[in-house]
Amino acid sequence: AQSVTQLDSQVPVFEEAPVELRCNYSSSVSVYLFWYVQYPNQGLQLLLKYLSGSTLVKGINGFEAEFNKSQTSFHLRKPSVHISDTAEYFCAVTPKGYQKVTFGTGTKLQVIP
Amino acid sequence: GAVVSQHPSRVICKSGTSVKIECRSLDFQATTMFWYRQFPKQSLMLMATSNEGSKATYEQGVEKDKFLINHASLTLSTLTVTSAHPEDSSFYICSAMTGGIGRDEQFFGPGTRLTVL
Repeated sequence: AQSVTQLDSQVPVFEEAPVELRCNYSSSVSVYLFWYVQYPNQGLQLLLKYLSGSTLVKGINGFEAEFNKSQTSFHLRKPSVHISDTAEYFCAVTPKGYQKVTFGTGTKLQVIP
Repeated sequence: GAVVSQHPSRVICKSGTSVKIECRSLDFQATTMFWYRQFPKQSLMLMATSNEGSKATYEQGVEKDKFLINHASLTLSTLTVTSAHPEDSSFYICSAMTGGIGRDEQFFGPGTRLTVL
C-alpha cells in the first residue's frame, strides 16, 4: 500500500516570498507522483507530475518539484508567490502500472499581501 | 487539455430522497472514471472505480447499494446517492483517465456539493 504525508496543514507566506510545501511518501513499489491545486469549491487541477527521467519537474504557474528517491520526498516549490496562489495543495501518489491514486491530507497556502 | 464536467454543481435535497450526479468527459473517451468524496478540511477519499460496461469496484467501507455507480458510455458515469441522509452531505468529485498520451493522469471534474437537510 502507498501513503502520502503532508506535514504542514497550513503555510502562511508573504507575497513575493519563496515557498516550499513538503510531501513525503511511502511505497514498496515504484510510483508516480503528482501535485494538485484546489481552489475553493472547485475540483483539482494538476500542477505537475513525476513519471520518470529528470528528478526536477517544472509545472504550471511557476511551480516546480524535486523527486528525491532516497528521502522519499516530492516537495513543491515556488520562488515568488502571488496572492492568486492562495489555495489548497494536494500531493498524490500512484503505483506504476496502476490507476488508484492516494492523496495527502493537503496543505493550505495562505499568501499574505 | 482534457475537460471533465459534473452536473449539478450544487444540490440540496431532503433526507430520504435520491440524488444523481453526472460526470462527463467532454473531449475524450474515458474507459475509467473515479468517484471521490471530500469532507470539509479533509483530503479526497476514493469511493469507487468505474469502468465502462462493467460493474464498479468499490473501496472498503463504501456501501455499493447506497452509492450506485453506472458507467453507461465512454463519456458518462453517474453516481446516485440513494436515500440520502445528512451524513452524506459532502463534496463529490469525479475524475477520468484517458487511454492515450498522459494515461497516468486523472482529469478532475469541478465537483458537486451535496447538502442533505
